[in-house]
Amino acid sequence: EDKVVQSPLSLVVHEGDTVTLNCSYEVTNFRSLLWYKQEKKAPTFLFMLTSSGIEKKSGRLSSILDKKELFSILNITATQTGDSAIYLCAVGFNTDKLIFGTGTRLQVFP
Amino acid sequence: DAGVIQSPRHEVTEMGQEVTLRCKPISGHDYLFWYRQTMMRGLELLIYFNNNVPIDDSGMPEDRFSAKMPNASFSTLKIQPSEPRDSAVYFCASRPGGNQPQHFGDGTRLSIL
Repeated sequence: EDKVVQSPLSLVVHEGDTVTLNCSYEVTNFRSLLWYKQEKKAPTFLFMLTSSGIEKKSGRLSSILDKKELFSILNITATQTGDSAIYLCAVGFNTDKLIFGTGTRLQVFP
Repeated sequence: DAGVIQSPRHEVTEMGQEVTLRCKPISGHDYLFWYRQTMMRGLELLIYFNNNVPIDDSGMPEDRFSAKMPNASFSTLKIQPSEPRDSAVYFCASRPGGNQPQHFGDGTRLSIL
């Protein structure tokens, strides 16, 4: 059965801390792995990864994929209260569909 | 560019009533997806369309749920009759062809009393 597992489920940190969110997957015919940030409304797209070992970076956020070990990490450095959200990992496979993990809830306190 | 537009934002209705959720995808996007999000089950795909044609409806919970896409700029998700267990946030997402990310609307928060 295809599945995506995220850890930890929840994380509480102080502003300035660095966090690492994990996503492991088991799917047939992998195409891509995506990270989304969900605050109060719509999940908003962060990164799409298709190749191992190539880091994607946007400001304080970065992500990398390991297709051999079937996982990805999302790093956030120098966290801010505005980073508080649920971070969703999704995997696309040989159809047009995505399977989503249950998410990691990040809370950043001043 | 306008993003994915969903309406209504909130819907509260009584059990047994018909509910219709609406979605306008981003112009030029070939794919449209309907999801349901709950605390217990997370984000689940219900159905998706390619070029207005339903491709996979295996996630639709039961016959009470139906979806249509009469043209490239409009889709509906209908629940008839509604039940309290249908209470959730329903998202619509769209994307262009190729291996591209999906973009989500702000969702409809549905409460069935």
